[in-house]
Amino acid sequence: AQSVTQPDIHITVSEGASLELRCNYSYGATPYLFWYVQSPGQGLQLLLKYFSGDTLVQGIKGFEAEFKRSQSSFNLRKPSVHWSDAAEYFCAVGPYGGSQGNLIFGKGTKLSVKP
Amino acid sequence: DAGVIQSPRHEVTEMGQEVTLRCKPISGHNSLFWYRQTMMRGLELLIYFNNNVPIDDSGMPEDRFSAKMPNASFSTLKIQPSEPRDSAVYFCASSLGQGQINQPQHFGDGTRLSIL
Repeated sequence: AQSVTQPDIHITVSEGASLELRCNYSYGATPYLFWYVQSPGQGLQLLLKYFSGDTLVQGIKGFEAEFKRSQSSFNLRKPSVHWSDAAEYFCAVGPYGGSQGNLIFGKGTKLSVKP
Repeated sequence: DAGVIQSPRHEVTEMGQEVTLRCKPISGHNSLFWYRQTMMRGLELLIYFNNNVPIDDSGMPEDRFSAKMPNASFSTLKIQPSEPRDSAVYFCASSLGQGQINQPQHFGDGTRLSIL
């Protein structure tokens, strides 16, 4: 079955510390992978996406993610977290050549930032 | 550029009432998606349209839910009659093209619906 797992429901990091949010997927075909961020009271905003090529992708707001096929993972990272990064983060996976209507979202990881 | 616009932002109504949620996609986007977000179930796709035509409504929970897209710039999601378990945040999103996987979705800020 196709699925996306974000193992951490809630993570707290100190401002200035590094961040890694985990995402594991189970997908039979070549996946397209996305990370979205949702600030309180707002909709989801695309951070970055991976389709092919370089397995390390850069996104907005200083985020990056690395696709590791052998581990079925697409973890999101940021070297130094800012207080404004406090939000909920969603990983999503979809089929190569498929539709956005086939996108599967993870349950999300809520990030809190300590001053 | 205007993003996806949803109205109302908040809706509180009593069980049994009809609820209509509205969405204006980004101009030029041909695909439109309706989602429901709850703590228990996360983000669920309800229905999506390409060129105003419903493509997949398998996520619509039951006959009480209906969605229309009469033109390229407007869509509605209607619940009739509403029930307390329909309380959730409903998101509309749009994307370029025919909803291909390489055309990411742009989300509105959602409608927070509370059914008493």
